[in-house]
Amino acid sequence: LAKTTQPISMDSYEGQEVNITCSHNNIATNDYITWYQQFPSQGPRFIIQGYKTKVTNEVASLFIPADRKSSTLSLPRVSLSDTAVYYCLGPGGGSTLGRLYFGRGTQLTVWP
Amino acid sequence: EAQVTQNPRYLITVTGKKLTVTCSQNMNHEYMSWYRQDPGLGLRQIYYSMNVEVTDKGDVPEGYKVSRKEKRNFPLILESPSPNQTSLYFCASSSDRSGNQPQHFGDGTRLSIL
Repeated sequence: LAKTTQPISMDSYEGQEVNITCSHNNIATNDYITWYQQFPSQGPRFIIQGYKTKVTNEVASLFIPADRKSSTLSLPRVSLSDTAVYYCLGPGGGSTLGRLYFGRGTQLTVWP
Repeated sequence: EAQVTQNPRYLITVTGKKLTVTCSQNMNHEYMSWYRQDPGLGLRQIYYSMNVEVTDKGDVPEGYKVSRKEKRNFPLILESPSPNQTSLYFCASSSDRSGNQPQHFGDGTRLSIL
């Protein structure tokens, strides 16, 4: 099971770029890295997913180094509405197929 | 509209009174899972199912039961609820049983066990 480690909290100001790094030392060869966003009292929402190098969509970018033991979610020019908890997901391959570990996530607070 | 529907959204009940939280998805997904969320502990997986009649324990299965008799439904059963099961519960589904495809989450069920 690819357990993940992320900072508990981060603070930023509106308009800044925010980078949240997640470590997943024992990620399996076939595992993708997936990030979710969660607002209070709502279910997590998919943001972005990648396997290696860089992936970009309209919301965020995801950077994955060659060894894939970590990943960095990049949110460009954050706004107050980006205040949320961000989870890096470590799927479980092999004998733990289907077992998923969300962890505690990173609470991002954006200030005006 | 693709969605995961949980019921009830809120429930206050008493210790020992059996309850069931229903979860239904309309995306024909093979994979379904239950999570509980507690302050400071993030999301923890309770049970998951990779197909009909196939269920497995997650990180915190004690005190819970599940069943997967049909593809769209994955109810969470608390046979004898206790106060430590007071929590926010989420059901999710995915087209990929390994977790490598994005999961779709329901809106959550807030349970209070007195």
